[in-house]
Amino acid sequence: EIVLTQSPATLSLSPGERATLSCRASQSVSSYLAWYQQKPGQAPRLLIYDASNRATGIPARFSGSGSGTDFTLTISSLEPEDFAVYYCQQRSNWPQYTFGQGTKLEIK
Amino acid sequence: EVQLVESGGGLVQPGRSLRLSCAASGFTFDDYAMHWVRQAPGKGLEWVSGISWNSGSIGYADSVKGRFTISRDNAKNSLYLQMNSLRAEDTALYYCAKDLSARTFGYFDLWGRGTLVTVSS
Repeated sequence: EIVLTQSPATLSLSPGERATLSCRASQSVSSYLAWYQQKPGQAPRLLIYDASNRATGIPARFSGSGSGTDFTLTISSLEPEDFAVYYCQQRSNWPQYTFGQGTKLEIK
Repeated sequence: EVQLVESGGGLVQPGRSLRLSCAASGFTFDDYAMHWVRQAPGKGLEWVSGISWNSGSIGYADSVKGRFTISRDNAKNSLYLQMNSLRAEDTALYYCAKDLSARTFGYFDLWGRGTLVTVSS
């Protein structure tokens, strides 16, 4: 099983600041990595797929980068609605898709 | 409206069975692979199972293999999860999720609101 480790567990920032979230895979997943946002009481929302492609309707302040084992989700300037939990997920290893444990982005 | 609506959750005793359903609308259901993803209370996301558009490719997480069975009925725009030999650790909110495109398998761009399964005596 490919283990995805996200860091930090919690990130405290203020609106307008830049957020950088990390996801590290236990073995290469090529570029087969996605990022999701989940707010309390809601289903997850796909933000980024194939490491760097924004999903439909996702604002340009969200960007993804990386390949192999190291990936980054960057939010260039935080809006109040961006404070949520973020998960990475790999689809490299069928049928053992896995998610990271999540990073909670909270208001400082 | 494009949506997924899950049903069938509830309280069940350990060792018993439950069948979840997911009704899809607003898109061409048989163009896409479909999945079940679960989330235990206060925990992260866990992919459970996925099925290709024509049921030709099916996969399960190791944690449910041999106990859960995924299926779909394209004529009814519906996805199912038959869950047998349920355990306490299967307690979770179960989401139905649609695959991103007809050419990918494993990114989830549309989710339902989930149905809660509680396994307890």
